[in-house]
Amino acid sequence: DAKTTQPPSMDCAEGRAANLPCNHSTISGNEYVYWYRQIHSQGPQYIIHGLKNNETNEMASLIITEDRKSSTLILPHATLRDTAVYYCIETGAGNNRKLIWGLGTSLGVNP
Amino acid sequence: NAGVTQTPKFRILKIGQSMTLQCTQDMNHNYMYWYRQDPGMGLKLIYYSVGAGITDKGEVPNGYNVSRSTTEDFPLRLELAAPSQTSVYFCASSYYGNEQFFGPGTRLTVL
Repeated sequence: DAKTTQPPSMDCAEGRAANLPCNHSTISGNEYVYWYRQIHSQGPQYIIHGLKNNETNEMASLIITEDRKSSTLILPHATLRDTAVYYCIETGAGNNRKLIWGLGTSLGVNP
Repeated sequence: NAGVTQTPKFRILKIGQSMTLQCTQDMNHNYMYWYRQDPGMGLKLIYYSVGAGITDKGEVPNGYNVSRSTTEDFPLRLELAAPSQTSVYFCASSYYGNEQFFGPGTRLTVL
């Protein structure tokens, strides 16, 4: 079973920041937090990952709390195309790179 | 690069029939994965491979078989199709494991 907890759904206004939370209270020291998203009926798409420092790329920012028990994915200016299911996954390097998927958060971006 | 390609896109099988879902990647990735996704659920790992000639079971391997004779190809075989195997099947590949690239999926219905 997935080890992360996410709200089942969230809404966001177009053009505003979307902040998606994730709890991973049992994460161990060598486990990373990965974020993927799945737009309706398509294969999942990698967004970003981090270990303990905040990370930013062209798609999003990842904020990880100091105790590493939770994180927030930030889409700075959400568009209608960001409507998707967002998955937060904790995984380590020693498990043959297997990802355990939960149910994710369904983000609706409204015009 | 085409990335990860899957064929067929759609298939309807009768109970007891067999078929092979094809997956090919052109990124020279060592890691390849097969997932299934039931409606409203997260992805479940069926089988994975860390390189040509090496395969291992995931969370839900029963009723499926795989082989990996080349780096590029990772076919998934259903020997005796059952209604419980009605699902969307995704193939993924990765260079170092956790940043996975997904194909567009195969939608399989078993009647």
